[in-house]
Amino acid sequence: DVKVTQSSRYLVKRTGEKVFLECVQDMDHENMFWYRQDPGLGLRLIYFSYDVKMKEKGDIPEGYSVSREKKERFSLILESASTNQTSMYLCASSLTGGNEKLFFGSGTQLSVL
Amino acid sequence: GQNIDQPTEMTATEGAIVQINCTYQTSGFNGLFWYQQHAGEAPTFLSYNVLDGLEEKGRFSSFLSRSKGYSYLLLKELQMKDSASYLCAVRDDSNYQLIWGAGTKLIIKP
Repeated sequence: DVKVTQSSRYLVKRTGEKVFLECVQDMDHENMFWYRQDPGLGLRLIYFSYDVKMKEKGDIPEGYSVSREKKERFSLILESASTNQTSMYLCASSLTGGNEKLFFGSGTQLSVL
Repeated sequence: GQNIDQPTEMTATEGAIVQINCTYQTSGFNGLFWYQQHAGEAPTFLSYNVLDGLEEKGRFSSFLSRSKGYSYLLLKELQMKDSASYLCAVRDDSNYQLIWGAGTKLIIKP
């Protein structure tokens, strides 16, 4: 069965801390994505990657960076966490070709105090 | 601009039928997706439409009219487990990324 695993379900950090969110998929998917989900808003794309060591900015990359050293792993980094980065973070992956439907992880609820 | 509109919340009765609408205005179009998201869980794929018409999959059907910028998700024989948020997303063919609606929270009452 297809699986996308996010390392933490809940995370509480302090303003200014460096935060790492990890995501691993076991489906050999080329494409990986990081979204944030906030109440009343649609999912917003932070960064995505179509291949190892490749990354592209999404709609809201400011304050974030990513790393994809291996095909199965895509990490989201908050360089200096701020309170406006409190959110639900969703990782997703997809195959190239066809409808490229997304498979999502269970999400990380990050609170920055 | 890019915009996806869907109702914020709908209520329906167990065993009934409900239609969740989605209208979109995007610079390009390369398919429309519906996802289901139970509270506290990950979104899961329900359907994909790229051509006009109705796609049926068990109790769920999805319709698309590209000329009207309109889609709906039809849920039949509603069950309590269908209580969830339903997310509409359009793939923009200019950058191949998804534009998401805010989701429709569906509440099923006995």
